[in-house]
Amino acid sequence: DVKVTQSSRYLVKRTGEKVFLECVQDMDHENMFWYRQDPGLGLRLIYFSYDVKMKEKGDIPEGYSVSREKKERFSLILESASTNQTSMYLCASSLGQSGGEQYFGPGTRLTVT
Amino acid sequence: AQTVTQSQPEMSVQEAETVTLSCTYDTSENNYYLFWYKQPPSRQMILVIRQEAYKQQNATENRFSVNFQKAAKSFSLKISDSQLGDTAMYFCAFSPPYNDYKLSFGAGTTVTVRA
Repeated sequence: DVKVTQSSRYLVKRTGEKVFLECVQDMDHENMFWYRQDPGLGLRLIYFSYDVKMKEKGDIPEGYSVSREKKERFSLILESASTNQTSMYLCASSLGQSGGEQYFGPGTRLTVT
Repeated sequence: AQTVTQSQPEMSVQEAETVTLSCTYDTSENNYYLFWYKQPPSRQMILVIRQEAYKQQNATENRFSVNFQKAAKSFSLKISDSQLGDTAMYFCAFSPPYNDYKLSFGAGTTVTVRA
Protein backbone atom coordinates (compact mmCIF):
# COMPACT_ATOMS: atom_id res chain seq x y z
CA ASP A 1 0.00 0.00 0.00
CA VAL A 2 1.07 3.53 -0.74
CA LYS A 3 1.87 5.45 2.36
CA VAL A 4 1.99 9.22 2.57
CA THR A 5 2.95 10.63 5.93
CA GLN A 6 3.01 14.17 7.24
CA SER A 7 5.24 15.35 10.04
CA SER A 8 2.52 16.74 12.31
CA ARG A 9 -1.23 16.26 12.71
CA TYR A 10 -1.65 19.51 14.64
CA LEU A 11 0.55 22.57 14.74
CA VAL A 12 0.17 25.92 16.46
CA LYS A 13 2.43 28.77 15.40
CA ARG A 14 2.64 32.50 16.01
CA THR A 15 2.26 35.19 13.39
CA GLY A 16 5.57 35.86 11.66
CA GLU A 17 7.14 32.49 12.43
CA LYS A 18 8.71 30.38 9.72
CA VAL A 19 6.81 27.11 9.41
CA PHE A 20 7.91 23.86 7.80
CA LEU A 21 5.44 21.12 6.87
CA GLU A 22 7.03 17.87 5.80
CA CYS A 23 5.60 15.12 3.64
CA VAL A 24 7.11 11.73 2.82
CA GLN A 25 5.86 9.07 0.41
CA ASP A 26 7.20 5.54 0.15
CA MET A 27 6.10 4.49 -3.36
CA ASP A 28 8.66 6.20 -5.57
CA HIS A 29 6.02 8.52 -7.03
CA GLU A 30 7.15 11.25 -9.39
CA ASN A 31 4.48 13.78 -8.49
CA MET A 32 3.89 15.35 -5.12
CA PHE A 33 1.37 18.03 -4.15
CA TRP A 34 0.46 20.42 -1.40
CA TYR A 35 -3.18 21.45 -0.95
CA ARG A 36 -4.99 23.51 1.60
CA GLN A 37 -8.49 22.54 2.62
CA ASP A 38 -10.95 25.13 3.87
CA PRO A 39 -14.68 24.72 4.61
CA GLY A 40 -16.80 25.57 1.61
CA LEU A 41 -13.79 25.85 -0.68
CA GLY A 42 -12.74 22.23 -1.06
CA LEU A 43 -9.07 21.57 -1.78
CA ARG A 44 -6.95 24.16 -3.50
CA LEU A 45 -3.55 23.39 -4.97
CA ILE A 46 -0.67 25.41 -3.52
CA TYR A 47 2.35 23.87 -5.26
CA PHE A 48 3.29 20.63 -6.91
CA SER A 49 6.49 18.93 -7.95
CA TYR A 50 6.96 16.49 -10.83
CA ASP A 51 10.59 15.64 -10.11
CA VAL A 52 13.37 16.30 -7.64
CA LYS A 53 14.19 20.01 -7.48
CA MET A 54 11.32 20.75 -9.89
CA LYS A 55 8.28 22.68 -8.76
CA GLU A 56 5.38 24.57 -10.22
CA LYS A 57 2.89 26.97 -8.72
CA GLY A 58 -0.64 25.85 -8.20
CA ASP A 59 -3.68 28.05 -7.82
CA ILE A 60 -2.79 29.75 -4.52
CA PRO A 61 1.02 29.91 -4.14
CA GLU A 62 1.22 33.34 -2.51
CA GLY A 63 2.85 33.23 0.91
CA TYR A 64 4.22 29.71 0.40
CA SER A 65 7.32 28.06 -0.99
CA VAL A 66 8.32 24.42 -1.40
CA SER A 67 11.41 22.25 -1.46
CA ARG A 68 12.00 18.84 -2.98
CA GLU A 69 15.58 17.71 -2.46
CA LYS A 70 14.79 13.99 -2.49
CA LYS A 71 12.18 12.14 -4.49
CA GLU A 72 10.30 10.88 -1.44
CA ARG A 73 10.14 14.16 0.47
CA PHE A 74 8.25 17.37 -0.28
CA SER A 75 8.27 20.29 2.12
CA LEU A 76 5.92 23.23 2.33
CA ILE A 77 7.34 26.40 3.82
CA LEU A 78 5.48 29.38 5.21
CA GLU A 79 8.17 32.06 5.30
CA SER A 80 6.24 34.32 7.66
CA ALA A 81 3.05 32.74 8.91
CA SER A 82 -0.10 34.82 8.97
CA THR A 83 -3.50 34.19 10.54
CA ASN A 84 -5.11 33.73 7.12
CA GLN A 85 -2.90 30.68 6.64
CA THR A 86 -4.73 28.87 9.42
CA SER A 87 -6.03 25.82 7.59
CA MET A 88 -5.80 22.09 6.99
CA TYR A 89 -2.85 21.20 4.77
CA LEU A 90 -2.90 17.99 2.76
CA CYS A 91 0.00 16.40 0.96
CA ALA A 92 -0.50 13.94 -1.89
CA SER A 93 1.56 11.93 -4.33
CA SER A 94 0.95 10.13 -7.61
CA LEU A 95 2.63 8.39 -10.49
CA GLY A 96 3.28 10.65 -13.44
CA GLN A 97 0.44 9.41 -15.61
CA SER A 98 -2.68 10.95 -17.01
CA GLY A 99 -5.77 10.35 -14.92
CA GLY A 100 -3.81 8.72 -12.16
CA GLU A 101 -4.98 8.41 -8.57
CA GLN A 102 -3.58 10.77 -5.99
CA TYR A 103 -2.70 9.32 -2.58
CA PHE A 104 -3.18 11.61 0.37
CA GLY A 105 -1.52 12.05 3.72
CA PRO A 106 -3.51 12.45 6.96
CA GLY A 107 -3.26 16.24 6.90
CA THR A 108 -1.78 18.87 9.19
CA ARG A 109 -4.14 21.25 10.92
CA LEU A 110 -2.19 24.47 11.28
CA THR A 111 -3.34 27.27 13.54
CA VAL A 112 -1.57 30.61 13.36
CA THR A 113 -2.25 32.90 16.31
CA ALA B 1 -8.42 25.84 -12.65
CA GLN B 2 -11.56 24.13 -13.87
CA THR B 3 -14.77 24.85 -11.99
CA VAL B 4 -16.29 21.94 -10.12
CA THR B 5 -19.57 22.54 -8.30
CA GLN B 6 -21.12 20.43 -5.57
CA SER B 7 -24.41 22.05 -4.67
CA GLN B 8 -25.24 19.93 -1.61
CA PRO B 9 -23.15 20.88 1.43
CA GLU B 10 -24.71 18.17 3.62
CA MET B 11 -26.80 15.05 3.16
CA SER B 12 -28.22 12.54 5.58
CA VAL B 13 -29.31 9.00 4.79
CA GLN B 14 -30.67 6.07 6.74
CA GLU B 15 -28.53 2.97 6.92
CA ALA B 16 -29.25 0.58 4.01
CA GLU B 17 -30.84 3.36 1.94
CA THR B 18 -29.50 5.00 -1.20
CA VAL B 19 -28.11 8.52 -1.49
CA THR B 20 -27.06 10.44 -4.59
CA LEU B 21 -24.51 13.25 -4.56
CA SER B 22 -24.46 15.74 -7.40
CA CYS B 23 -21.49 17.30 -9.18
CA THR B 24 -21.27 19.55 -12.20
CA TYR B 25 -18.16 20.86 -13.90
CA ASP B 26 -17.13 23.29 -16.56
CA THR B 27 -14.60 22.47 -19.26
CA SER B 28 -13.90 22.92 -22.95
CA GLU B 29 -11.87 19.70 -23.09
CA ASN B 30 -13.31 16.69 -24.88
CA ASN B 31 -11.35 14.13 -22.94
CA TYR B 32 -10.67 14.25 -19.21
CA TYR B 33 -11.03 12.32 -15.98
CA LEU B 34 -13.52 12.66 -13.14
CA PHE B 35 -13.12 11.34 -9.62
CA TRP B 36 -14.97 10.97 -6.36
CA TYR B 37 -12.78 11.03 -3.27
CA LYS B 38 -13.91 10.17 0.25
CA GLN B 39 -12.54 11.79 3.41
CA PRO B 40 -13.77 9.98 6.57
CA PRO B 41 -13.66 11.93 9.85
CA SER B 42 -10.04 12.28 10.99
CA ARG B 43 -8.84 9.85 8.33
CA GLN B 44 -7.02 10.09 5.04
CA MET B 45 -8.73 10.90 1.79
CA ILE B 46 -9.10 7.94 -0.53
CA LEU B 47 -10.26 7.44 -4.09
CA VAL B 48 -13.77 6.00 -4.39
CA ILE B 49 -14.30 5.88 -8.13
CA ARG B 50 -12.89 7.22 -11.40
CA GLN B 51 -14.50 7.90 -14.79
CA GLU B 52 -12.78 8.52 -18.10
CA ALA B 53 -14.76 10.92 -20.25
CA TYR B 54 -14.27 8.99 -23.47
CA LYS B 55 -15.86 5.90 -21.93
CA GLN B 56 -19.63 5.95 -22.23
CA GLN B 57 -20.17 3.23 -19.65
CA ASN B 58 -20.68 4.51 -16.13
CA ALA B 59 -18.06 3.36 -13.63
CA THR B 60 -19.06 1.11 -10.74
CA GLU B 61 -17.16 0.03 -7.64
CA ASN B 62 -19.19 -2.30 -5.44
CA ARG B 63 -21.92 -0.14 -3.81
CA PHE B 64 -20.67 3.03 -5.48
CA SER B 65 -21.71 3.99 -8.99
CA VAL B 66 -21.74 7.13 -11.06
CA ASN B 67 -24.12 8.69 -13.53
CA PHE B 68 -21.92 10.46 -16.06
CA GLN B 69 -23.75 12.81 -18.40
CA LYS B 70 -21.08 14.31 -20.65
CA ALA B 71 -23.29 16.72 -22.56
CA ALA B 72 -24.74 18.08 -19.36
CA LYS B 73 -21.30 18.09 -17.67
CA SER B 74 -22.76 16.21 -14.75
CA PHE B 75 -21.14 13.49 -12.65
CA SER B 76 -23.25 12.22 -9.76
CA LEU B 77 -22.30 9.55 -7.22
CA LYS B 78 -24.79 7.01 -5.97
CA ILE B 79 -24.13 5.14 -2.75
CA SER B 80 -26.36 2.09 -2.48
CA ASP B 81 -27.09 0.14 0.71
CA SER B 82 -25.46 2.89 2.79
CA GLN B 83 -23.34 1.77 5.71
CA LEU B 84 -22.20 3.64 8.82
CA GLY B 85 -18.66 3.56 7.44
CA ASP B 86 -19.79 5.63 4.48
CA THR B 87 -20.09 8.65 6.76
CA ALA B 88 -17.54 11.07 5.31
CA MET B 89 -17.01 14.16 3.24
CA TYR B 90 -17.09 13.39 -0.48
CA PHE B 91 -15.25 15.46 -3.04
CA CYS B 92 -15.81 15.51 -6.76
CA ALA B 93 -12.67 16.26 -8.78
CA PHE B 94 -11.72 16.94 -12.39
CA SER B 95 -8.44 16.23 -14.17
CA PRO B 96 -7.46 17.26 -17.71
CA PRO B 97 -6.15 14.57 -20.06
CA TYR B 98 -2.53 15.61 -20.44
CA ASN B 99 -1.32 15.07 -16.88
CA ASP B 100 -2.76 14.44 -13.47
CA TYR B 101 -1.50 17.38 -11.53
CA LYS B 102 -4.25 19.86 -12.25
CA LEU B 103 -6.85 18.19 -10.08
CA SER B 104 -9.68 20.63 -9.42
CA PHE B 105 -11.94 19.84 -6.47
CA GLY B 106 -15.49 20.77 -5.58
CA ALA B 107 -16.37 22.19 -2.17
CA GLY B 108 -17.40 18.79 -0.85
CA THR B 109 -20.57 17.15 0.45
CA THR B 110 -20.76 15.83 4.00
CA VAL B 111 -22.69 12.58 4.10
CA THR B 112 -24.01 11.27 7.42
CA VAL B 113 -25.38 7.74 7.56
CA ARG B 114 -27.88 7.28 10.41
CA ALA B 115 -28.27 3.97 12.22
